[in-house]
Amino acid sequence: EAGVTQSPRYAVLQEGQAVSFWCDPISGHDTLYWYQQPRDQGPQLLVYFRDEAVIDNSQLPSDRFSAVRPKGTNSTLKIQSAKQGDTATYLCASSTGDLQDTQYFGPGTRLLVL
Amino acid sequence: GDSVTQTEGLVTLTKGLPVMLNCTYQTTYSPFLFWYVQHLNEAPKLLLKSSTDNKRTEHQGFYATLHKSSSSFHLQKSSVQLSDSALYFCALSGLANSGTYQRFGTGTKLQVVP
Repeated sequence: EAGVTQSPRYAVLQEGQAVSFWCDPISGHDTLYWYQQPRDQGPQLLVYFRDEAVIDNSQLPSDRFSAVRPKGTNSTLKIQSAKQGDTATYLCASSTGDLQDTQYFGPGTRLLVL
Repeated sequence: GDSVTQTEGLVTLTKGLPVMLNCTYQTTYSPFLFWYVQHLNEAPKLLLKSSTDNKRTEHQGFYATLHKSSSSFHLQKSSVQLSDSALYFCALSGLANSGTYQRFGTGTKLQVVP
């Protein structure tokens, strides 16, 4: 069974540039999560979907971050006008249930904003 | 608010010794507790999870018991191996009135030396 895949694996930007991250969850997993993990810190949930619906995006900085999952499968997380404080690894995970079920994480995208 | 505390940032141990990584939490709701392990340059993987009070959960030689009376879910192993060197995260999930939530601790880096 293929795991969660993410691309790109690395991104380097200047402040003010935009970037998109892509995630393909495990087939059959209806719940998809996006996390931000700053260096030497734990992951912080940004947003999660069940199928195409956003369940919780309360931690997503809505002025510059957006996330979609239009067909309930793949998802894209976009940062408009990146800031140095956005430097982190962005992890995608999927599960068959909700936050109390086992999540399977992708390898992450490492973002460096100069 | 809901939170997870991991008091040790770095634990260095000699191979073969026992280890206990601390995790305490705060929540007003019925908790699910998780331990995730993240090896260098890899995605976090679930190690253990529990929602049952005073029941020991084991996997791959690691074990933990959820104690609701002390709000703790410490991770233990009787004899660490070099391959156990990794970042360990404790996470809390639960169902609040406003919906489900999740919090990760800041992580404990376990370094096993020969």
